[in-house]
Amino acid sequence: AQKITQTQPGMFVQEKEAVTLDCTYDTSDPSYGLFWYKQPSSGEMIFLIYQGSYDQQNATEGRYSLNFQKARKSANLVISASQLGDSAMYFCAMREGSSASKIIFGSGTRLSIRP
Amino acid sequence: DSGVTQTPKHLITATGQRVTLRCSPRSGDLSVYWYQQSLDQGLQFLIQYYNGEERAKGNILERFSAQQFPDLHSELNLSSLELGDSALYFCASSRGGAGLDTQYFGPGTRLTVL
Repeated sequence: AQKITQTQPGMFVQEKEAVTLDCTYDTSDPSYGLFWYKQPSSGEMIFLIYQGSYDQQNATEGRYSLNFQKARKSANLVISASQLGDSAMYFCAMREGSSASKIIFGSGTRLSIRP
Repeated sequence: DSGVTQTPKHLITATGQRVTLRCSPRSGDLSVYWYQQSLDQGLQFLIQYYNGEERAKGNILERFSAQQFPDLHSELNLSSLELGDSALYFCASSRGGAGLDTQYFGPGTRLTVL
């Protein structure tokens, strides 16, 4: 069965530092996608970045990059040069290719950026 | 702004009542998904519709139902409401019905059952 684990309930980081949010997953499907979403205190769910299981390179989107280690089944989100506006909940999610409709989410990491 | 719209933004009602949440997907998206986010259960997938047809079911209660209309907007109906149904309900949409399309979320409807 597919599973997503985020082991960091909360993190504090100094502004302008880089931060890594951990995510490990489990699936027996060779085809899957990994997603990161940001949920600020206002409540909306904002898509950040996507990594496909067959992608050869790590995904990047501006200050966000995904450190994809397939053998370790990890998909950590790296935020470079953190900003105060990065303070939010961050969710890792996975969607299997064979049962593609069921995206599952981790429990989230609350990131707080200190000025 | 993801392009997915949800109404209403907030809803307060009493136990035993019935409510309808509405979602309009992004232009061109054929799939609509419903999710429930509560403090104790986290984010739970409820149901997916693709081009008017039910595609997948998750942890949706029998008291809940949904449909997708010909113009692709969707409604989630919650009946015989209980205190535990208080949650943030998200709608998301994606281009296709299968595969690994990214889902874009709406702003959510916060339901409070008193």
